[in-house]
Amino acid sequence: QQQVKQSPQSLIVQKGGISIINCAYENTAFDYFPWYQQFPGKGPALLIAIRPDVSEKKEGRFTISFNKSAKQFSLHIMDSQPGDSATYFCAALLGGDAGNMLTFGGGTRLMVKP
Amino acid sequence: NAGVMQNPRHLVRRRGQEARLRCSPMKGHSHVYWYRQLPEEGLKFMVYLQKENIIDESGMPKERFSAEFPKEGPSILRIQQVVRGDSAAYFCASSPDTVTEEKLFFGSGTQLSVL
Repeated sequence: QQQVKQSPQSLIVQKGGISIINCAYENTAFDYFPWYQQFPGKGPALLIAIRPDVSEKKEGRFTISFNKSAKQFSLHIMDSQPGDSATYFCAALLGGDAGNMLTFGGGTRLMVKP
Repeated sequence: NAGVMQNPRHLVRRRGQEARLRCSPMKGHSHVYWYRQLPEEGLKFMVYLQKENIIDESGMPKERFSAEFPKEGPSILRIQQVVRGDSAAYFCASSPDTVTEEKLFFGSGTQLSVL
């Protein structure tokens, strides 16, 4: 019930290409879905987030697509750049009084080749 | 405004020793969360604390692990009698309250290596 499954584990994309990372969840009580970007030796940093009442959110080159009925959401990175090379984590947060305990996916290591 | 500060960045311990990891939340943040990241894996929630209170420790092993967030000073994650399986990156995050999840910030982590 608490799991968030993320795929692929690793991804290689050419510069200028589109990077797509997928996540699926089981618990319908999740009501906030952030994506985090993590560079080596650093903590995760919030990249973009979405709530289930919205099907898509775009910020610059980053877009989240959300499919509530399928319980899936994905991150699209348009015009991928070498500087985007990092590990990306999807996460989900329970609503209500559950506090801010995020459940993370397993991560996707993205490499963008010049 | 300094971010979430964790120290030490790297900690080496021998089996059976104690490890103490410190986390100073961002100024104005009264909620602290500890996560553990094993190599090639995502972050796993361990414990959620507010000042002087443990709110949720459902992700923390029952033995050898403890956490505190005193009225004054940093939050401490303490691991007694460390074993090799405790080797991981430990991340602390802080937020000002529970309703503004967008304001959750992570520190740079403490890499614990158990020899």
